[in-house]
Amino acid sequence: DTGVSQDPRHKITKRGQNVTFRCDPISEHNRLYWYRQTLGQGPEFLTYFQNEAQLEKSRLLSDRFSAERPKGSFSTLEIQRTEQGDSAMYLCASSLSSGVGNTIYFGEGSWLTVV
Amino acid sequence: GQQLNQSPQSMFIQEGEDVSMNCTSSSIFNTWLWYKQEPGEGPVLLIALYKAGELTSNGRLTAQFGITRKDSFLNISASIPSDVGIYFCAGVLGSNYKLTFGKGTLLTVNP
Repeated sequence: DTGVSQDPRHKITKRGQNVTFRCDPISEHNRLYWYRQTLGQGPEFLTYFQNEAQLEKSRLLSDRFSAERPKGSFSTLEIQRTEQGDSAMYLCASSLSSGVGNTIYFGEGSWLTVV
Repeated sequence: GQQLNQSPQSMFIQEGEDVSMNCTSSSIFNTWLWYKQEPGEGPVLLIALYKAGELTSNGRLTAQFGITRKDSFLNISASIPSDVGIYFCAGVLGSNYKLTFGKGTLLTVNP
């Protein structure tokens, strides 16, 4: 499978714990995105990388959230001191950065439940 | 900020019927995308539209990029049970490819 891959698919954690999600984009894609989706809503943009550079962060991304893409390939999203309001699906997506037709493809998502 | 209004919120139809849903925006986009999402899964790209007025088909699906660049519609012809899911429109403005999503249309198809 050469699509966007996310791990883990599901995570249940206690409030206050830290969690980390990993995303492996489509191999030739240099842009990588993180979105968050809660029940009944469309995905909301969190941040994106072009290669290893983090170029934009949403105000939704509080100080407890940090994303990295150290070698311009896979990315991690860490949430520190989780809160119940962090419960959501975290979606990773990737695309090329130029040219017509460079649409965004999503992974299957990582469900986070904070109890 | 930009907002996308997607309608209807939900549809309950019989197998074989045609379906139409649309999105309108308070501001222009230069790309419109339509995704389908099934429970517990990520959105899957259905159709991408890049030019105002563009009409694109993908099997039984047809989508159009509105002339004003502020709207788009998606039609599904001869619906089948596997069409069930949530359909999202998403708009892109600028070159950074950040998506703004609608709230989705929940489609239920009765066999």
